[in-house]
Amino acid sequence: AQSVAQPEDQVNVAEGNPLTVKCTYSVSGNPYLFWYVQYPNRGLQFLLKYITGDNLVKGSYGFEAEFNKSQTSFHLKKPSALVSDSALYFCAVRVSNQAGTALIFGKGTTLSVSS
Amino acid sequence: GAGVSQSPSNKVTEKGKDVELRCDPISGHTALYWYRQSLGQGLEFLIYFQGNSAPDKSGLPSDRFSAERTGGSVSTLTIQRTQQEDSAVYLCASSRDRGAYEQYFGPGTRLTVT
Repeated sequence: AQSVAQPEDQVNVAEGNPLTVKCTYSVSGNPYLFWYVQYPNRGLQFLLKYITGDNLVKGSYGFEAEFNKSQTSFHLKKPSALVSDSALYFCAVRVSNQAGTALIFGKGTTLSVSS
Repeated sequence: GAGVSQSPSNKVTEKGKDVELRCDPISGHTALYWYRQSLGQGLEFLIYFQGNSAPDKSGLPSDRFSAERTGGSVSTLTIQRTQQEDSAVYLCASSRDRGAYEQYFGPGTRLTVT
């Protein structure tokens, strides 16, 4: 079965420090991987994706993620965290079936950046 | 341009009543998805529409749930005989087509079944 795991419910980091939000996946075939962010009382916003090509992908708001096939991981990173980065982050993998392209999401990781 | 819109933003209903949730996708997007976000459960795929193809209903949790998409645009998710476990935020998303990968999400409808 296809799945995504976010092993940390919460990540705490001080402003200015680097941050990492972890994601591992299990999928048959080539994975298409995504990160979304959800701010309080807001919908999900697309951050970045990996489809093919360079393992390091860059996205919105200075975030980047590294695809590691051998470790089946797609960790989200940022060199210097901002208080405004505090939000709920979801990793997702795309699967293909006969009819469509649903996303399977991890349970989410709450990022808290302190000033 | 306008994003995905959903209505109502909040809905409180009594157990056993039927509810309808509406989604207006981004203009020109042929693919439309419904998800459910529950506390502690993350995001759960419900149903997917692509153009005029038969929808993928594989995520619907029971036969009380149904959805339709009229004219390839607006979609309505209907929950019949609501139960307390149906309480959640229902999210709609759209994407340009099945070959395009980013899904754009609406703000959601928060459903509370009392």
